[in-house]
Amino acid sequence: SQTIHQWPATLVQPVGSPLSLECTVEGTSNPNLYWYRQAAGRGLQLLFYSVGIGQISSEVPQNLSASRPQDRQFILSSKKLLLSDSGFYLCAWSVIGGRITGELFFGEGSRLTVL
Amino acid sequence: QQPVQSPQAVILREGEDAVINCSSSKALYSVHWYRQKHGEAPVFLMILLKGGEQKGHDKISASFNEKKQQSSLYLTASQLSYSGTYFCGRLEAAGNKLTFGGGTRVLVKP
Repeated sequence: SQTIHQWPATLVQPVGSPLSLECTVEGTSNPNLYWYRQAAGRGLQLLFYSVGIGQISSEVPQNLSASRPQDRQFILSSKKLLLSDSGFYLCAWSVIGGRITGELFFGEGSRLTVL
Repeated sequence: QQPVQSPQAVILREGEDAVINCSSSKALYSVHWYRQKHGEAPVFLMILLKGGEQKGHDKISASFNEKKQQSSLYLTASQLSYSGTYFCGRLEAAGNKLTFGGGTRVLVKP
């Protein structure tokens, strides 16, 4: 069966520090991968999505970046965090191929607090 | 632009019904519905692929009106476990991305 792992689960970082969140999927190949962010009490904002290794689409201009070095690995990074980067970050994957036809499977999330 | 959900919040007594609406200014290829419990990741409820299609999940059902670019989620005979935030997601025809609405908070009281 397919599983998705996200880490770290919780982190507290000072403003201006770097960030690296990692997500891996097991049990499937060539998934679509996604990073969403959820500010406290708000909706799900799509940040990046990827349909293959090295293929990243950015939805929101910001100081964040994403990379997909391997088929089932998706990394969210920042060189310098801002206070507004605080939130609940969710990685998700969907069925293989170029379209979403089924559900999104979400990881357990990474809660980031920038102080 | 993200889909617009209404209402933003609803409080129900156990056994009551509720409707959550989702509308889009962009054409809808398909609509997803998810529920998120506090502090947890969203969980998939259902997807509607065709205009006018209705689907159900236990006593939660949904409709999709492709012409009006709207979808509605129906909570029937609500249970305490229905509490959470419900999100609709819009899939655009040409893309791989799913854009979510702002969410509707549902609280079911005994």
